[in-house]
Amino acid sequence: GQNIDQPTEMTATEGAIVQINCTYQTSGFNGLFWYQQHAGEAPTFLSYNVLDGLEEKGRFSSFLSRSKGYSYLLLKELQMKDSASYLCAVEGNAGKSTFGDGTTLTVKP
Amino acid sequence: ETGVTQTPRHLVMGMTNKKSLKCEQHLGHNAMYWYKQSAKKPLELMFVYNFKEQTENNSVPSRFSPECPNSSHLFLHLHTLQPEDSALYLCASSQVVGGWTGELFFGEGSRLTVL
Repeated sequence: GQNIDQPTEMTATEGAIVQINCTYQTSGFNGLFWYQQHAGEAPTFLSYNVLDGLEEKGRFSSFLSRSKGYSYLLLKELQMKDSASYLCAVEGNAGKSTFGDGTTLTVKP
Repeated sequence: ETGVTQTPRHLVMGMTNKKSLKCEQHLGHNAMYWYKQSAKKPLELMFVYNFKEQTENNSVPSRFSPECPNSSHLFLHLHTLQPEDSALYLCASSQVVGGWTGELFFGEGSRLTVL
């Protein structure tokens, strides 16, 4: 079956660095996605990893280890607007994406 | 026009009503999706349409009926829903290449309340 785990909630301070972890067990693997969803809004794409290693995009980076079934999203220089839910999603067999429950990040001044 | 638009944004209906949700994508993608997002639950895939053909029906009750008249439009027809069907219904699109779904582009969602 499909199983994706990520922490339910995290809190961090403005200007700090936070790492949101995601572990997965899925049928097949075509890539791992991170999405950001602000309250009351649509999820928006942040990053995609299909090979092992780190992908950097501005203040956000995402890491993947396929052998460990593990990914993390790293947010640097946190801003208040980064308070949102962060969704880990894995595309498995037949192009079907499975989402984790999401991690609600609260950034405090 | 934004990438993926959904209407209505909010919908309240009784259990005996018939209503429809509409989604339109302006990105030229070849696949469209319906997802259900309930409080404290992960996004649940409901239906997938690839090149207008339904390729996935994720064990969704028949009171939800999708329709995809062309690659840009997707509907979700609702009939005799239950209160537990109250949720945010998200439409998404992507460009499927070689079986790879890729990045999903989501609409703002339709917030459905069933009384």
